[in-house]
Amino acid sequence: AQTVTQSQPEMSVQEAETVTLSCTYDTSESDYYLFWYKQPPSRQMILVIRQEAYKQQNATENRFSVNFQKAAKSFSLKISDSQLGDAAMYFCAYASGTYKYIFGTGTRLKVLA
Amino acid sequence: DAGVTQSPTHLIKTRGQQVTLRCSPKSGHDTVSWYQQALGQGPQFIFQYYEEEERQRGNFPDRFSGHQFPNYSSELNVNALLLGDSALYLCASSPMGTGGYYEQYFGPGTRLTVT
Repeated sequence: AQTVTQSQPEMSVQEAETVTLSCTYDTSESDYYLFWYKQPPSRQMILVIRQEAYKQQNATENRFSVNFQKAAKSFSLKISDSQLGDAAMYFCAYASGTYKYIFGTGTRLKVLA
Repeated sequence: DAGVTQSPTHLIKTRGQQVTLRCSPKSGHDTVSWYQQALGQGPQFIFQYYEEEERQRGNFPDRFSGHQFPNYSSELNVNALLLGDSALYLCASSPMGTGGYYEQYFGPGTRLTVT
């Protein structure tokens, strides 16, 4: 069975600095997708970035980028120029042809002014 | 373009009661998935509906059941509520097509409290 592990329950970053959130996963499949979702106190899950496993190039979305290491089954999220609005729970998620998402336990990100 | 909507926002029920939660998918989406998110945890997959049938199910008891209507909206029903059913219930919709993967869009959730 596939699993997703987020080993950092909480992280803090100074405003305008860079922070990296870690995620590892386990799967025997070769074709799958990985995501980072943001969940602010409003509870709405917001897609931050996605990565297709067959693509070697790391995905980027403005200040957000990933470091995808397929062999190591690692998928970390880097947030550059952190802003107060980035404070939230961040969830790493895995999806394959079974369609369901498998989520990690989340990392709470605090942004310090 | 309306996103995924869920109702009600909050709900308080007593142990042993039954509850129905509702979800309307994003326009153009025909697949609905339900997740349970306990406090401090990541969402756990309950089941997914497509073409009014349950396509896939997670590790949840039969007390959890669902339905999808011809307009693609969906209901989640939970019978014989337990204290442990207290959680945020998230609905996610996605478009069906060819291929093996579809991006899911989440609603704001329904907070269920069982006392």
